[in-house]
Order: sequence, then structure tokens, then C-alpha cells
Amino acid sequence: AQSVTQLDSQVPVFEEAPVELRCNYSSSVSVYLFWYVQYPNQGLQLLLKYLSGSTLVKGINGFEAEFNKSQTSFHLRKPSVHISDTAEYFCAVSPRNFNKFYFGSGTKLNVKP
Amino acid sequence: EAQVTQNPRYLITVTGKKLTVTCSQNMNHEYMSWYRQDPGLGLRQIYYSMNVEVTDKGDVPEGYKVSRKEKRNFPLILESPSPNQTSLYFCASSLSGTATNQPQHFGDGTRLSIL
Repeated sequence: AQSVTQLDSQVPVFEEAPVELRCNYSSSVSVYLFWYVQYPNQGLQLLLKYLSGSTLVKGINGFEAEFNKSQTSFHLRKPSVHISDTAEYFCAVSPRNFNKFYFGSGTKLNVKP
Repeated sequence: EAQVTQNPRYLITVTGKKLTVTCSQNMNHEYMSWYRQDPGLGLRQIYYSMNVEVTDKGDVPEGYKVSRKEKRNFPLILESPSPNQTSLYFCASSLSGTATNQPQHFGDGTRLSIL
């Protein structure tokens, strides 16, 4: 069975501070990994993805994530957040050859001035 | 402009009254999918389609139907809606029907309330 866990439902942080949003997954096969962002009243937009190769992937808006196979984690980081980063962030996995997607429960990032 | 279009954006209806939420994409994508988003549960996949006339169940298919007669359209049908189907629904599409390493493009969502 596949599952995705985002332990933090809400993360408050001050502007220009660093942030890490955690994602752990469980899968019996290799997976593709994604982070999406959802702004209020909008659909999801892709931030970054990990398919293979280098375990550190860079995405849009200064975000990056690191794949750790031994810990089955894919944490999202940004060294300095802006007010405009306030949104909900979703981690998603797709087990290879399964044609399905599994999402975490989301983390609401609230950037304060 | 490349986009996934869902209609309606908002709908309030009553138990048992059949409804259809339409989804259309203009990117010639093979893979299309429906999700429901509920607080604290994230997005859960309802149904997906890898190409025309090829559909399969996601994690929460009960009470829903889909069809894929044309590549661009993937409607979601609730034959007899019930209050536990009140949710925010998203349609998404991606390029490849056989490899899920492609990012998904999402519509703006349909907020459905069933009384």
C-alpha cells in the first residue's frame, strides 16, 4: 500500500526566515515524487519533481527538495520565504508502473511580516 | 493558453439529483484524472483515464462514474449524489498515458454542496 504523510498541517514563519516542509512516503516500489502549491481558490501548480538522478532538485520560486531513499522522505525547503509564499503545499507520489497518484494531507504555510 | 477547464465552478444541489461536472483540456494530454479535496485529507484520486475509452478506479470511486469518449473531455458523473460527496473537486491532466512521471495540470476546482 502507498501512503504519503505530511506531519505538519500548519507552519507559521516570519518573512525572510528559512522553512522546511516535511514529507514522508511509504511504497513497496520505486516512486516519482512531486511538490505542488495551492493558492487560495485556485488549482494546484507544480513546484518541482524528482524522477531519478541527483537527489537535490530545484523548482520554481526558489524552492528545492531533497530525496532521501533510506528515510523515504522528500522534504521541501526555501532559504528565505516571502509573504507571497503563503499557500498550501502538497507532497505527491506516483509509484512507477501503477498509473496512480497519492497526495499528502497538505501543509499550510503562513508567512508573517 | 494551455488549460484545464471545469464547469460548473460552484454547485448546490439536493440528494439524489443526478449531476455532471465537465472537464476539458486543450493540451492533447493522454492522462486525465479526478480528485476530491477534503480538509485534513488532502487530495484523493477518484478515477483516472490513460487514454480514450480507458478508465480505471482510483482510491475513492464509490458513487462516481466517468467516461472518456474524446481525448479532451473527461466528465465526472454523480448518479445519485449524497451529502458525503460534498467536497471540492479537481480535474487534472498530464501528457503521457503510460508514465506518471509527467506533472499534472489542474483545473480551478468545482465546489459541490449536496443538501
